[in-house]
Amino acid sequence: KQEVTQIPAALSVPEGENLVLNCSFTDSAIYNLQWFRQDPGKGLTSLLLIQSSQREQTSGRLNASLDKSSGRSTLYIAASQPGDSATYLCAVRSAIMIKAAGNKLTFGGGTRVLVKP
Amino acid sequence: DGGITQSPKYLFRKEGQNVTLSCEQNLNHDAMYWYRQDPGQGLRLIYYSQIVNDFQKGDIAEGYSVSREKKESFPLTVTSAQKNPTAFYLCASSAQGTSYEQYFGPGTRLTVT
Repeated sequence: KQEVTQIPAALSVPEGENLVLNCSFTDSAIYNLQWFRQDPGKGLTSLLLIQSSQREQTSGRLNASLDKSSGRSTLYIAASQPGDSATYLCAVRSAIMIKAAGNKLTFGGGTRVLVKP
Repeated sequence: DGGITQSPKYLFRKEGQNVTLSCEQNLNHDAMYWYRQDPGQGLRLIYYSQIVNDFQKGDIAEGYSVSREKKESFPLTVTSAQKNPTAFYLCASSAQGTSYEQYFGPGTRLTVT
């Protein structure tokens, strides 16, 4: 059974510092991995989706890397701003589940980020 | 303006009552999902539907029921059999295709007392 872990659960940094968020998963047979942002009391916003064949994906100040063999993904946010304060969740999509029963995501518990001005 | 809508944003019910949460999408997506989120935790899958008139149980389906009579709509009923119904409920949808990327609605916070 796939398990996804995000450590640390919470992180506080001064404005301007780069953020490094970690995600680890136990089963390397993934189809792809998604990083989401969640503001308090809101739904999830998709930030980046990285396919199992990719090593990294970039969007603006965000960069996600994927090392499937070691079961790890890292989300980098450059030059953090107070507006980046939110909870960041990673979720993996199983390669086996895609074929057998469709699109099932397994989520980590999230990392709550506070960027101090 | 395409997207997923969930209503209401906040819902309060007395213990023992069934309650139905609404989810509508105009993205023309075939698949829809219901997740539950508890404080400080990730999302857990309740039910999902890949096509109209068909749905499957997720990891925590006990005490919940769904229907999928229209492509655009996937309502979730929280029954009195659900032992701990107070939570944040999120609906999502996805197109079947290369990435299967899921898009989420704004959520409904249900409080049962």
